[in-house]
Amino acid sequence: AQSVTQLGSHVSVSEGALVLLRCNYSSSVPPYLFWYVQYPNQGLQLLLKYTTGATLVKGINGFEAEFKKSETSFHLTKPSAHMSEAAEYFCAVSRNAGKSTFGDGTTLTVKP
Amino acid sequence: DAGVIQSPRHEVTEMGQEVTLRCKPISGHNSLFWYRQTMMRGLELLIYFNNNVPIDDSGMPEDRFSAKMPNASFSTLKIQPSEPRDSAVYFCASLALNTEAFFGQGTRLTVV
Repeated sequence: AQSVTQLGSHVSVSEGALVLLRCNYSSSVPPYLFWYVQYPNQGLQLLLKYTTGATLVKGINGFEAEFKKSETSFHLTKPSAHMSEAAEYFCAVSRNAGKSTFGDGTTLTVKP
Repeated sequence: DAGVIQSPRHEVTEMGQEVTLRCKPISGHNSLFWYRQTMMRGLELLIYFNNNVPIDDSGMPEDRFSAKMPNASFSTLKIQPSEPRDSAVYFCASLALNTEAFFGQGTRLTVV
């Protein structure tokens, strides 16, 4: 069985500030981990993914996430938030990139 | 490739009517997923297919919901009869082996 917990359903940061969105997972086998972003009235788009290899994963638009097995975490970070990045962010876990289990999502608000 | 294509983008129907949502996955992808998204319940997996065969339909809420995938390039999700509580955004996603899921733009269903 696998599950995902996103800590904080809403995160608010000022423009230019650090973005940190938290994700913890549970999986009985080595997981594949994903972060997706959803802008209003759109589908989910992949930001980055971890499958194997390097635990620090870089995605689009300066986002990064680090797979920490000991902490069962895959937190998403970005050094400097931009207004255009206000959206909902989903963490997901899967086994061998098959059926994914999604977290409840975190809404990111960026204040001017 | 144009990505995952869903139709219609918006559907408004009266309670009791039959609704059919359509999805064209990305060519070459062998898995297809139907999700439902609401404010109350977030993103829920309804059913997924592997090589056109339904693998897990445990998320289908009731017998009023049915899904088919007659070939690798087309799937439908049908609700008959529809009810107001079915109002949601329905997403289709497809993936190839060992890749991430690609989502369509969604169908916003309103049942009045």
